[in-house]
Order: sequence, then structure tokens, then C-alpha cells
Amino acid sequence: GAVVSQHPSWVICKSGTSVKIECRSLDFQATTMFWYRQFPKQSLMLMATSNEGSKATYEQGVEKDKFLINHASLTLSTLTVTSAHPEDSSFYICSARGGRELETQYFGPGTRLLVL
Amino acid sequence: KQEVTQIPAALSVPEGENLVLNCSFTDSAIYNLQWFRQDPGKGLTSLLLIQSSQREQTSGRLNASLDKSSGRSTLYIAASQPGDSATYLCAGTGNQLIWGAGTKLIIKP
Repeated sequence: GAVVSQHPSWVICKSGTSVKIECRSLDFQATTMFWYRQFPKQSLMLMATSNEGSKATYEQGVEKDKFLINHASLTLSTLTVTSAHPEDSSFYICSARGGRELETQYFGPGTRLLVL
Repeated sequence: KQEVTQIPAALSVPEGENLVLNCSFTDSAIYNLQWFRQDPGKGLTSLLLIQSSQREQTSGRLNASLDKSSGRSTLYIAASQPGDSATYLCAGTGNQLIWGAGTKLIIKP
């Protein structure tokens, strides 16, 4: 079946540094990738949608200059949290759409970010 | 290996019926469990989140239960409607999210 991986699974960083999270579709070409964020005890929230080769579409309230998304290939999207602050500490999850079932999203295992 | 299994993979029922979707997990380290709804071409919608210390959560016609000892969660949908047609995913949260494959639900008018 379709598999989506994320790297790293855990990251701890100092305030002010930038962190890059990778999302890969391992056995299918993902025409669209989604990035979600989940704060503790809260629901998953969509941050942005990215199509391969074009700029990401950000949800209202998500700063595009702070959360840089690059979808450079059909199997890789990256989310860079720039100048991270403690309030950016969260669980970041990507999903990818493509493969044989074009409307199905396949979810990655998530990346837990802790900013000190 | 940590696994989350959803049964059935697909379900089709007439409108108005009550139904139950099942989710089982093998990892006792899962400390909460979430149910999501996925509509074609759209993002996930979070339905219910059950914390480890809780046994069930209710939202409208939806009720989700969690039994960590048996590694099971169920999502009960009362008085189903055609608008409930979607894919329902459960995910256990341990160090990472562990996703079930989903149950595709079709409610026939």
C-alpha cells in the first residue's frame, strides 16, 4: 500500500533556529501534499496544501514566511519552520495524495517539534 | 510492530441505521486515540479525540469509546444520513501517529 514517511520523527531545537521537516511518498507519486499541525489535546489543523512545482496555498492564519513549504518533486515536500519559537512546538503531520486512488490521502507518522 | 487495524474496510448501509466502526491497536503505549473523517479531495476533519484517561467521547450523533486494555476503539454513528458518507480513519497517538487504513462508509438514501 501507499506509504508516507516523515523525517525526523522528533526534533528539539533552540529558539531562533530553523527546522526542516521532510515528507516523502515512498511508493507513489504525490501530486498534492498537505501539512497539518496538532497542538496537545487539540484537533488536527490544516496548515497548507502544496502541488508539485507550484507555490503552496496556506490556510488563513498560517504565516507563509514562517512556515516555508517546498514541493520540489512528486515524492518530496519539505516544511521549514523558520526562527522557531516555543509556541511553534507542536506535532506536524503531512499527507500525500496520488497513487492509484487519486482522492485518497495517505498520512505520515508525524514529527514532534519541541522548541526550547 | 505497532499497528492500527480498522474493520470493516468498507460499509454500505441504508439511511437511518445505527452503525459501528471498529479500530484495534496493538501498542499499549498509545495514549490517546482520534477519529477523523476524510471526504474525497478534502483534508481531514477531526471528529473525536479520546484521551488515555477517558473511556468515551460524544459529539452529536457520534460516540467513540476507548478500551486500552483490549486495544479497541469504536465509533458509533446514530441515525445515519447520506452526508455521513466518507472514509473514517482512526489514529493512535504514541510517539507518533499510527494510522488505520480507514473504513469507507456509504449511506444509501
